Amino acid sequence: SQQGEEDPQALSIQEGENATMNCSYKTSINNLQWYRQNSGRGLVHLILIRSNEREKHSGRLRVTLDTSKKSSSLLITASRAADTASYFCATDKGNMLTFGGGTRLMVKP
Amino acid sequence: NAGVTQTPKFQVLKTGQSMTLQCAQDMNHEYMSWYRQDPGMGLRLIHYSVGAGITDQGEVPNGYNVSRSTTEDFPLRLLSAAPSQTSVYFCASSYHGQNYGYTFGSGTRLTVV
Repeated sequence: SQQGEEDPQALSIQEGENATMNCSYKTSINNLQWYRQNSGRGLVHLILIRSNEREKHSGRLRVTLDTSKKSSSLLITASRAADTASYFCATDKGNMLTFGGGTRLMVKP
Repeated sequence: NAGVTQTPKFQVLKTGQSMTLQCAQDMNHEYMSWYRQDPGMGLRLIHYSVGAGITDQGEVPNGYNVSRSTTEDFPLRLLSAAPSQTSVYFCASSYHGQNYGYTFGSGTRLTVV
């Protein structure tokens, strides 16, 4: 069973708009991570947020974590066509990283 | 740095055949793992290792074996391939312990006919 579930499953926006993806999980975690996967490629680590952190930034990425609601969100600001990819959240309970089903993001030029 | 290298990139097997998917990393990562990704789904953990000589099962271990004789290599063996094992397989590595992101290989696309 998947620990994390992303919402929405698919998202289509225009270049320059912001994209928000949400992730919910079921049990306590050490940290939560977000990954990007371009079509036919491996996953690329974007950002990690620890269980005692509430918000983290990296370039155009902003991640929030609410452990009381067991949820996280990934915000991509000023999106670009190159951001088109699938985005996965993954929860780390120690030794096992469990992935959600992903959000497919399409950014139209 | 090469990162995580997986071979082969593509493979077609007949039902009942066996094969080994290779994974090597040059980052001196203690932790290595194998995932499978089926169409439209996230990744599911098959096996993982926290160091040489230590392996453990993940979420979907049946039909797969692993060994970890060196820090660098973590091969995945399919004992008797079945059509249900048609998938894309990813190897990943990381420093062991909390709060490290994973580095993924580019994947092996396996088809069992």
